[in-house]
Amino acid sequence: DAGITQSPRHKVTETGTPVTLRCHQTENHRYMYWYRQDPGHGLRLIHYSYGVKDTDKGEVSDGYSVSRSKTEDFLLTLESATSSQTSVYFCAIGTGGTETQYFGPGTRLLVL
Amino acid sequence: KNQVEQSPQSLIILEGKNCTLQCNYTVSPFSNLRWYKQDTGRGPVSLTIMTFSENTKSNGRYTATLDADTKQSSLHITASQLSDSASYICVVASMDSNYQLIWGAGTKLIIKP
Repeated sequence: DAGITQSPRHKVTETGTPVTLRCHQTENHRYMYWYRQDPGHGLRLIHYSYGVKDTDKGEVSDGYSVSRSKTEDFLLTLESATSSQTSVYFCAIGTGGTETQYFGPGTRLLVL
Repeated sequence: KNQVEQSPQSLIILEGKNCTLQCNYTVSPFSNLRWYKQDTGRGPVSLTIMTFSENTKSNGRYTATLDADTKQSSLHITASQLSDSASYICVVASMDSNYQLIWGAGTKLIIKP
């Protein structure tokens, strides 16, 4: 998985609680991305980062925030989890532009 | 609206047979088209990336074609193996919005022995 780890790999939580997912890379790539994947849908971009402390919104950013204080770590926070945020979350890294993205193993999140 | 449509949604073939997966897109302005393979329970892995000027690109038994005029791409798998069982996702990058990627929903391929 190209030097990308995600933690936790599985999580069950209750509606209304905050949740933080972590993505860690050892490749020193500038760009990091958070996606969610739901049945019947393509991957959808939540947020991405193009450098330390530089982040931007994707197409489904409502209810999510991110932080990147170090090159290697990109955190995704669900401020108050809802059942609609039950999904598989993937982190990806890349050099941006036309280059490929490399994906982590994913985190399965269930919000009850 | 930028969209990527894939067909079929699912496909079952016998081991050793060939198959072709289709991708139609309405993304503009076009930057490049990618095919990813996603095994069950894992993240997608890149197979090919093609720019506007490339018609064909191969990666082992995988051959992708691109017709930028008709906005269609195909992924041909030759002599399928059981390990080819996966979802295959077509992704188109737009030159807008910092090379935004538009993801198809994927074709689920099952190879039977």
